[in-house]
Formats: sequence, structure tokens, C-alpha cells
Amino acid sequence: AQKITQTQPGMFVQEKEAVTLDCTYDTSDPSYGLFWYKQPSSGEMIFLIYQGSYDQQNATEGRYSLNFQKARKSANLVISASQLGDSAMYFCAMREGLLGSGGSNYKLTFGKGTLLTVNP
Amino acid sequence: GAGVSQSPSNKVTEKGKDVELRCDPISGHTALYWYRQSLGQGLEFLIYFQGNSAPDKSGLPSDRFSAERTGGSVSTLTIQRTQQEDSAVYLCASSTRAGGLSEQYFGPGTRLTVT
Repeated sequence: AQKITQTQPGMFVQEKEAVTLDCTYDTSDPSYGLFWYKQPSSGEMIFLIYQGSYDQQNATEGRYSLNFQKARKSANLVISASQLGDSAMYFCAMREGLLGSGGSNYKLTFGKGTLLTVNP
Repeated sequence: GAGVSQSPSNKVTEKGKDVELRCDPISGHTALYWYRQSLGQGLEFLIYFQGNSAPDKSGLPSDRFSAERTGGSVSTLTIQRTQQEDSAVYLCASSTRAGGLSEQYFGPGTRLTVT
């Protein structure tokens, strides 16, 4: 089974509107982190926001917020007031075993991404 | 400060040739990671370094792939006898330490095309 699933290959949104990018994950580890990255056409991966599995509140970072629903194993990214510069690929990623000293708590497992297009 | 840099930005090589990809992490970052991004495959983890040692090489696709890191800084990913399926963007990332919620900062990548 895939560890990270992004079901939306592409999304369109009008400038200044909000958009939600879906991400579901699969893990049996009690401690994990969920990350969102943006990859514009230039190719560089830009870190946006993260959520730890034990965090009580949803993470927010400027116009980005993470709708974390632990029971449903979803960590959707919400972008408010979309801008033309938000057009890019968006990747959800997970790191497991955060509380352990070993395991795979260093590597990120990525979803296949969602291509967001912001229309003027 | 300077981010993660990678060179070359683009590399076209003939099948069967060897290539070397270079990554220069952010100064002071002890952890370094290599990922591969193929069309339709998303990003795959290849290898990670803590200092100069590579505790996990399990993501390397075959024994044609190797990587080293010297002086706790620059890393080189070497692909021997390149095949067409090696064509991809190779991304390097670094972080202050491995694990936890330490953020990984990515470089711009090297686009490898094997003809």
C-alpha cells in the first residue's frame, strides 16, 4: 500500500480564492511528521509547512494551513487567497519514527504530487 | 545564507558512460540526502549521510549507484554504466540533523538525460 496518497493529479483555482489539496497517509508508527513541499517549474523543492502526529493544533504558516485529521489519516493543505505565484506542483511527504533513535526517521516518503494552477 | 547547490544543473550522457553529480549542502548541516525524481514516479529516497557515513544505502537502485561524502560537506553521487532508465532529476537535500522534525532543504537538482 502507498504510504502517501495524493488523489488530485491537477487542481485549478481562481486567484484570491482558497484551495484544498488532499493528502492521506498510511502508517502504524505512533510518531510521525507530515510535510508539504512546493515545486515550481524551476524545480527546487520549497518547504511549506509541517505537522507532528502529537501536535494538538493544526499547523499554520502564513497563507498555508494544514487540516490534520488524525483518525482519518489525512493532512490536507489549505492555501488561502491564492496568488498566481502559487502555481506549482505540491507534494505531501511523511517521516516516520520521530521518537526513535533509529529506524527510518530521517527519510521523507513523498506522494506523487498535485499540480495546482491559479487562474487570473 | 547560501542554500544547497548542485552541479551540473543538466547532464546529457550516452548510455554506458559514468556520471558524477555533486551536492554542496548548507554550511553546518550534518545530514545530507539524495532523492531521485522520475517522470510518473514521484520522489524516491536514495541514500542519506550523517557526517561522512551513510547508515542507509537501501534506496540505491542498483550496485551501479554509489555515493560518498568527504569532510562532512560535499557529496558526490556516481552512476556507472548509465542506462536510459537512470534519466531523472536527482535532488539533494540537507538538514541540521537527521530525524525528528528537522526540515530538509533541497537543492535545485541535476537533470540527467541518458541517450
